[in-house]
Amino acid sequence: ETGVTQSPTHLIKTRGQQVTLRCSSQSGHNTVSWYQQALGQGPQFIFQYYREEENGRGNFPPRFSGLQFPNYSSELNVNALELDDSALYLCASSHSGGASYEQYFGPGTRLTVT
Amino acid sequence: GENVEQHPSTLSVQEGDSAVIKCTYSDSASNYFPWYKQELGKRPQLIIDIRSNVGEKKDQRIAVTLNKTAKHFSLHITETQPEDSAVYFCAAKNQGGKLIFGQGTELSVKP
Repeated sequence: ETGVTQSPTHLIKTRGQQVTLRCSSQSGHNTVSWYQQALGQGPQFIFQYYREEENGRGNFPPRFSGLQFPNYSSELNVNALELDDSALYLCASSHSGGASYEQYFGPGTRLTVT
Repeated sequence: GENVEQHPSTLSVQEGDSAVIKCTYSDSASNYFPWYKQELGKRPQLIIDIRSNVGEKKDQRIAVTLNKTAKHFSLHITETQPEDSAVYFCAAKNQGGKLIFGQGTELSVKP
């Protein structure tokens, strides 16, 4: 298992509410990427954080936002939840600026929007 | 836009046979190609990867090949075992660091 952790593991929210998901990166890693994985699909890139700034964004609306903290942990915030936001949210930790390209995933947060 | 196509979507083999999963990518600037294995209810696990300056890489029963000209890369699993059963995802990383995933292949290895 990797050293990447996520919380909470499961979450149920109502349409229109807001949610915050958390990710702690693996030791030595300075970059966190967030992905949305719908059932039966591959992970879809949401955005990446490096040095506390957004460093690339996928095709997701502005109600998906994030933060990275000085210890490289990260949060994903989703406002005005929609039913289609129900998915597994994965963060992946990596080290930018070195020779390694590998990204290691956390266990994910299963979000259900009702 | 950037896209990764993965085939087949499902693959069933007998234990001991080989399995091959193929992917194509659209962004010619992609320079890193990892493969992930995801068991039901678990996180994707990196099993092997290849960079654009290498044509082939092998790790025990798993190998990956890359054809940059054709923008194809493939995962080869030899001597398959029931514990290889899972969903496998290919991905391509562009120079901006974004990983684009394929749609996944559900591999079933029958004893």
